[in-house]
Amino acid sequence: DAGVIQSPRHEVTEMGQEVTLRCKPISGHNSLFWYRQTMMRGLELLIYFNNNVPIDDSGMPEDRFSAKMPNASFSTLKIQPSEPRDSAVYFCASSFPRLAGSQALDTQYFGPGTRLTVL
Amino acid sequence: GDSVTQMEGPVTLSEEAFLTINCTYTATGYPSLFWYVQYPGEGLQLLLKATKADDKGSNKGFEATYRKETTSFHLEKGSVQVSDSAVYFCALSVTTGGNQFYFGTGTSLTVIP
Repeated sequence: DAGVIQSPRHEVTEMGQEVTLRCKPISGHNSLFWYRQTMMRGLELLIYFNNNVPIDDSGMPEDRFSAKMPNASFSTLKIQPSEPRDSAVYFCASSFPRLAGSQALDTQYFGPGTRLTVL
Repeated sequence: GDSVTQMEGPVTLSEEAFLTINCTYTATGYPSLFWYVQYPGEGLQLLLKATKADDKGSNKGFEATYRKETTSFHLEKGSVQVSDSAVYFCALSVTTGGNQFYFGTGTSLTVIP
């Protein structure tokens, strides 16, 4: 099992440029999450998909951020235009369908993250 | 609303010391509870979990018991090692609502030889 795959692992760009982060979830997982982690704000949930449909995007900071999940094996997080305050580590995570006998979500499996630096 | 509150860090311990990191939660319904660990430069990974009251999760010498009466899920280890140095996150999964997985703020642990 390759785990959650994210690309690129590191991205350095200039303010105003478009940035696209990519994620391939674990096969068979039907929930996908995008998080942002900074020293100041900790781990923040940006958006959550279930069966490729966005369920909760209340964490997306502003219109410059958008996320898509065109199929069960691929998702993108796009920032356009990027700003220095977007510099952070962005994690993608996926999880199985709900725990047996429960409506609660099961364990999330995280990718290695993309470290984004906007100059 | 639903949330987890965990002990502020950073925590510094000597090798072989006893570790406790406190975590309490607020949730509707019947949440599942998790501890995740993040080693430097890596993503979060599951350390242990418990899905119902009185369950004990355990892994790599770490334990946590789901206490409904005190709404707690404290992480413990009897003898820490330098390799346990990491950031530990408490999390819960709830049964209702759109944002259904909540992480605590993380507690940084440094173990010194």
